[in-house]
Amino acid sequence: RKEVEQDPGPFNVPEGATVAFNCTYSNSASQSFFWYRQDCRKEPKLLMSVYSSGNEDGRFTAQLNRASQYISLLIRDSKLSDSATYLCVVKQDYGGSQGNLIFGKGTKLSVKP
Amino acid sequence: DTAVSQTPKYLVTQMGNDKSIKCEQNLGHDTMYWYKQDSKKFLKIMFSYNNKELIINETVPNRFSPKSPDKAHLNLHINSLELGDSAVYFCASSQGGAGEKLFFGSGTQLSVL
Repeated sequence: RKEVEQDPGPFNVPEGATVAFNCTYSNSASQSFFWYRQDCRKEPKLLMSVYSSGNEDGRFTAQLNRASQYISLLIRDSKLSDSATYLCVVKQDYGGSQGNLIFGKGTKLSVKP
Repeated sequence: DTAVSQTPKYLVTQMGNDKSIKCEQNLGHDTMYWYKQDSKKFLKIMFSYNNKELIINETVPNRFSPKSPDKAHLNLHINSLELGDSAVYFCASSQGGAGEKLFFGSGTQLSVL
């Protein structure tokens, strides 16, 4: 099983739609989780951290399910500018690579007019 | 002002050559990284330096040698380039220890012919 798995998509949605991405991780001891956003031919940028209680930032909601080892990202009222690849990131909290961030391959979102 | 800057943006070279990529951050961060993103868009850590000291060295051929002259700079030197080295290389930095919020440079697209 890969350390961090995501559906690569693409997710093609109309403007205004609500879309959700899931991500699963293999190491049950992982403690820190993040969503990064990467635009085409650009560098990744932190979108939001994922807290155990779930957290919201405007139209974006992130949730963590430790029992099932998955993280979700919900985007409401999609905008054209939301089109990007969304990377699920898990902090590796064990072994010789203490604190290493493990990136998923990303889920591509395309928002259409 | 660019927070994390890396040069060059594009690098096209022949197999067997030696090349370097430079990275500088003006954020005052303690930790710097090199990541590789291959053609499948998989972003993987190569090295991590904290205050000029190597703290993470993932399974990377020893043809790759990072150099950190001071905590604001982390350069990557690659010897005897191979076709499989073609990828986008991202420099990044973070405050505090490894795994904190990453700020990425804009990437260097390396093409080995």
